[in-house]
Amino acid sequence: DGGITQSPKYLFRKEGQNVTLSCEQNLNHDAMYWYRQDPGQGLRLIYYSQIVNDFQKGDIAEGYSVSREKKESFPLTVTSAQKNPTAFYLCASARGVGETQYFGPGTRLLVL
Amino acid sequence: KNEVEQSPQNLTAQEGEFITINCSYSVGISALHWLQQHPGGGIVSLFMLSSGKKKHGRLIATINIQEKHSSLHITASHPRDSAVYICAVEPGNQFYFGTGTSLTVIP
Repeated sequence: DGGITQSPKYLFRKEGQNVTLSCEQNLNHDAMYWYRQDPGQGLRLIYYSQIVNDFQKGDIAEGYSVSREKKESFPLTVTSAQKNPTAFYLCASARGVGETQYFGPGTRLLVL
Repeated sequence: KNEVEQSPQNLTAQEGEFITINCSYSVGISALHWLQQHPGGGIVSLFMLSSGKKKHGRLIATINIQEKHSSLHITASHPRDSAVYICAVEPGNQFYFGTGTSLTVIP
C-alpha cells in the first residue's frame, strides 16, 4: 500500500537529549514537509524539502534540523536547543510544492 | 495536588523478588503509559494501557479505570531492572507524569 509512515506513535525523551523522528513515503513524491501541532493550535511549518538534497526552513525552524538524502525519507531531529519540544509532529508529502499534501499518522513527542 | 501519584518513590529489592509499583491518578484518561528510564538517561516505553492487563516478558501492567489505579509488576527481578519507572496518563491532548519510582535490584 502507498502511504506515509511515521513511527513510533509516542516517543519519550529526557530533557536535553536530541531525538530524531522518522518519516518515510513510498508515493514517489518530491516534496516533503514537517509540521508541529500544539494543543488548541493549528499546524506550523518547521521545514520542507522540494527535492532530494534540498530543504528550506519553515516558520519555526529554530531548534530543529532535517536531512533529505533519499527521496523516500525526511527525518527530523529535535535538538536540545528547542525550548519546548513536547508536541505532536506531522509529516506530509506532495508531488510538488503547492500540490495536495498527504499526511502521516504523526508522532507524539514527550520530553520529561 | 498532582494529577499522578506514584508509590513507592524509592524501592530496593533483592534479586529474584516480585516487585510492584503503583500509580494513582485523578483525571479521566484515554490511556496510561509505563516508562522506564535507565541510569544513562534513555527512556523506553514499556506499556500503553487503556484497560485490563498487558504482559511483556517478566513485566506485567494492570489498570483499573473505575478506581483510577494502575500497577506495574516485575517478576523474578534482576539487577538490570534497576531504573526509574514513570507512570504517565493521557487525558486528551495533555500528558501528566508521575515523579517516578527509583528501583534498585541488588544481586
